[in-house]
This record gives sequence, structure tokens and C-alpha cells, in this order.
Amino acid sequence: SQQGEEDPQALSIQEGENATMNCSYKTSINNLQWYRQNSGRGLVHLILIRSNEREKHSGRLRVTLDTSKKSSSLLITASRAADTASYFCATGRNTGTASKLTFGTGTRLQVTL
Amino acid sequence: GAVVSQHPSRVICKSGTSVKIECRSLDFQATTMFWYRQFPKQSLMLMATSNEGSKATYEQGVEKDKFLINHASLTLSTLTVTSAHPEDSSFYICSASLGGDYGYTFGSGTRLTVV
Repeated sequence: SQQGEEDPQALSIQEGENATMNCSYKTSINNLQWYRQNSGRGLVHLILIRSNEREKHSGRLRVTLDTSKKSSSLLITASRAADTASYFCATGRNTGTASKLTFGTGTRLQVTL
Repeated sequence: GAVVSQHPSRVICKSGTSVKIECRSLDFQATTMFWYRQFPKQSLMLMATSNEGSKATYEQGVEKDKFLINHASLTLSTLTVTSAHPEDSSFYICSASLGGDYGYTFGSGTRLTVV
């Protein structure tokens, strides 16, 4: 069943502004990952944060994780038009041989010039 | 980096026919691959976990006889939609993982339209 809820569902900002997306989940996790999807395409892995980490950076991306609140946020700084896409959080949970991912509902980000 | 190739990218088939979708890991071996389904403007729903050399593990509510999965080698998993109906029209995506902090690598997806 769908576990993660993201907000906002849609976000429209101007180029140069920061974009913040939030993700909440319900059960215990091993890690939380963020992915990007351009319309009609596959997903691109952005960043993974482990359950014992609180913050992680990668270029213009900053991810936080609060396991006590079962929530995470993705911050994209100095946004560009090329950042326009849907962003999904996904929680990883080990189930024997493989870690299954459960995806959030996604945030559709529109960056305008 | 890890690359997963998925084919075809688009397919249109007649109701009642079967369609096979291939997912290949190009530069790494994947003992486990995952198949997802995505409806327009919605999230990805895990359909099944494909295990090399053994039977796939299906999620609750997914018909194993309708969505046949074969993972015969460490680099190839196939999903066959049997006796397709219009309600099977969807975007199907596969993925595999290198483990660690690499996350999962996804194929480019297959847009299936059943007419």
C-alpha cells in the first residue's frame, strides 16, 4: 500500500528561488531516497539518506530526515527551469534479499523563467 | 554508472494479445529487479520483485498469471502482460540496485496502450 505522503502536490516557483518538498511516512525504515521523474520518463536517483543520518547534501540538493516525526524534506536551492519535474520520496525497507521501495505521492515542481 | 535498459518504450496492442517488456542491467549484475506500474499523474506502485533463478514475489492484489515475470539471467528480467485488456494500459517501469548509497536505477519505462 502507498506509504508516503508528499506535500505540496504541486509547486510553482520562479527560477532562482528555492523549492522545498516534504515527505511523511508511516512505518520504520532503513533509508529514505529521493527521485526525480521527467514527464513520461523513468526515475533518476537523486540522494539517499540512511535512518541514522539527519541531513545530507548533494550539489544544490539538501535532504533532511526526522525519524521521530517520520518525515523528510528535499530542498532545491537556486532552482532552474531544468529542475521542472516530479519529485518522489521512497522509503527503503529490507525484506530478506532485497530492499523494497515504497513511493510517496510525489510533488510536481514547475520552475518558470 | 549503473544503467538499466528497458524495451520497448512504447507499445500498442490489441485486446487479448500478450506483450513482453524487457529490462536489462547493462553494466552490472542484478540478482533482484523490481517491476512498477504508474498511472497518469500518480505514484509508482510496486507490482513484483523479480529474483534471478527463482520465482518472482508478487505484491498483494497483483495477478501472477496475468503478469508473468521471468528472470533467467543476472542481467535480464522480462514482464509479460498476458491477455491484455484496456485497463492494463499504463506505464510500466523496472529497476535494479547496486546496493549501498547508490539507490536504485530505473529503466526509461514502457508506455502500454491496449486498444
